[in-house]
Amino acid sequence: KNEVEQSPQNLTAQEGEFITINCSYSVGISALHWLQQHPGGGIVSLFMLSSGKKKHGRLIATINIQEKHSSLHITASHPRDSAVYICASNFGNEKLTFGTGTRLTIIP
Amino acid sequence: NAGVMQNPRHLVRRRGQEARLRCSPMKGHSHVYWYRQLPEEGLKFMVYLQKENIIDESGMPKERFSAEFPKEGPSILRIQQVVRGDSAAYFCASSPPGLAVHYEQYFGPGTRLTVT
Repeated sequence: KNEVEQSPQNLTAQEGEFITINCSYSVGISALHWLQQHPGGGIVSLFMLSSGKKKHGRLIATINIQEKHSSLHITASHPRDSAVYICASNFGNEKLTFGTGTRLTIIP
Repeated sequence: NAGVMQNPRHLVRRRGQEARLRCSPMKGHSHVYWYRQLPEEGLKFMVYLQKENIIDESGMPKERFSAEFPKEGPSILRIQQVVRGDSAAYFCASSPPGLAVHYEQYFGPGTRLTVT
């Protein structure tokens, strides 16, 4: 069965802390996506990766294909990073299967 | 270069009415996906379309739901005889032509359907 699991479900941290959100998937994938859902509900694609590591500003995404695991890191976290972070996967086809999301709250 | 557009942003329907949700993909994109997010739940795939073709509708409920992506105009997700359980946020995403698994999907702002 194609499954995506995320942890933690909820994460509260102080401004400036280093944040890590984890994602595991059950079987081989074509690509792993990280999405951000704002409090207002809109969804933004942050990364799509199939190997290695990608960086954009304070955000870093890594993937380990052998371990079927990906992480999203946020350096120098800021209250505006507060959102739900969702990992999703293509299991060899076009449709995305989503994790349940990690609700991140950064306290000033 | 406008992003993915969805309208309406909010839609209220009474039980038994029809709901029509529209999605205009990004310019140059030919793949459209519809996803549903039920209250307090994660996103779930519904249907994947290319122009004039339904490629994968494995996530669509068998009854009352249909989708189309005509040669001209937006993609439409149609829900007939809505029930309270259809209340959700419906997101559309699009991706460029080519092998879809190789491309990011760009999401619209969503349509929030409330059935009273």
